[in-house]
Amino acid sequence: DAKTTQPPSMDCAEGRAANLPCNHSTISGNEYVYWYRQIHSQGPQYIIHGLKNNETNEMASLIITEDRKSSTLILPHATLRDTAVYYCIVRVGTNDYKLSFGAGTTVTVRA
Amino acid sequence: GAVVSQHPSWVICKSGTSVKIECRSLDFQATTMFWYRQFPKQSLMLMATSNEGSKATYEQGVEKDKFLINHASLTLSTLTVTSAHPEDSSFYICSAPGRVTDTQYFGPGTRLTVL
Repeated sequence: DAKTTQPPSMDCAEGRAANLPCNHSTISGNEYVYWYRQIHSQGPQYIIHGLKNNETNEMASLIITEDRKSSTLILPHATLRDTAVYYCIVRVGTNDYKLSFGAGTTVTVRA
Repeated sequence: GAVVSQHPSWVICKSGTSVKIECRSLDFQATTMFWYRQFPKQSLMLMATSNEGSKATYEQGVEKDKFLINHASLTLSTLTVTSAHPEDSSFYICSAPGRVTDTQYFGPGTRLTVL
């Protein structure tokens, strides 16, 4: 699976949009971009995933660049409950469901 | 949405004892489940893949005789930490693939402390 690079931490003001970048310059054509988050002392939570088109759901939006070498997770209106470690994971979308977690980005939402 | 539970949520045991952790898929069946371990301030590390009706597949460096995995039914996988030692103290998390979307559903985790 392709390696991802994320900033170690970022702060965000409550009510503002949080834009979380992820670089995956070695991504191959059949690899998807997944985002999960882990609130302190809990299991990770799925947020969103995509292949090449931008995606949106009730939690977030995922913007993938045209060359697919980077992506941005957007939390449109961050709340204090969005404080968590956010993981960007790239892998092939097959029945092999293994996930390889990197260090992620620690997002702190401040009032 | 799909829910995965773990029991117990936390456990404290003496060195040398064995501890069993259960992972259940509550509203869906899972022929495959995954076990992760997370040390403080570190990321999740995949330990093994639990396969219903067959042997688990362990990641490199994980002792299969120490971390016994049993996936006896389509909704239950168990991880037994045998002869636990303080260095086994960690946060253990299981997950199962979703039915429809290509996602993983994670349990809330079990914090193991070995004295």
